[in-house]
Amino acid sequence: SQQGEEDPQALSIQEGENATMNCSYKTSINNLQWYRQNSGRGLVHLILIRSNEREKHSGRLRVTLDTSKKSSSLLITASRAADTASYFCATESGTYKYIFGTGTRLKVLA
Amino acid sequence: GAVVSQHPSWVICKSGTSVKIECRSLDFQATTMFWYRQFPKQSLMLMATSNEGSKATYEQGVEKDKFLINHASLTLSTLTVTSAHPEDSSFYICSARGPTSAAGELFFGEGSRLTVL
Repeated sequence: SQQGEEDPQALSIQEGENATMNCSYKTSINNLQWYRQNSGRGLVHLILIRSNEREKHSGRLRVTLDTSKKSSSLLITASRAADTASYFCATESGTYKYIFGTGTRLKVLA
Repeated sequence: GAVVSQHPSWVICKSGTSVKIECRSLDFQATTMFWYRQFPKQSLMLMATSNEGSKATYEQGVEKDKFLINHASLTLSTLTVTSAHPEDSSFYICSARGPTSAAGELFFGEGSRLTVL
């Protein structure tokens, strides 16, 4: 399977703490994206990092990319209860097809 | 941002019937749309790539006669689940590349939950 792996599969933290989730993939990529999905809903794009970038920030989000290790991480700082959702990484390898990781279910406790 | 609308958001049907799901790009033209399937608490599995004006490209293991895809216009792609069976029950999500994103950011519909009795 080409699908990427994410860990942890589930994460439960207290409001105000930071949440880190990791994504590993198998093939060379053009870019890697992170998406958020609330239960039973569609996905919302969070951030895109290109293969020649190592780190990117957007608000409380910080994404890193290590192409030598074929891995990425998403850090959410100062988490809020509203951040509770599933988070997926998705990779694109030049064919315009997007392969999604297995996802991390984040629960932020108020 | 670009908006993708999916309809219906949920549908219940009897085994053996066919169900059509629509995916529309509301404020942009999408030459390519993607159809995904998602089981509970699992990731999205790409089913097929829908190309306007041509045949869809199906992923390995996806039956093209079972999941008919039509992309007849630049704003509409449809997925028809033919002769649905309970094992086809799932959450189906479409997506399209945004009009201004060179890198290929995807915009997703809200998904359609299919339950086959």
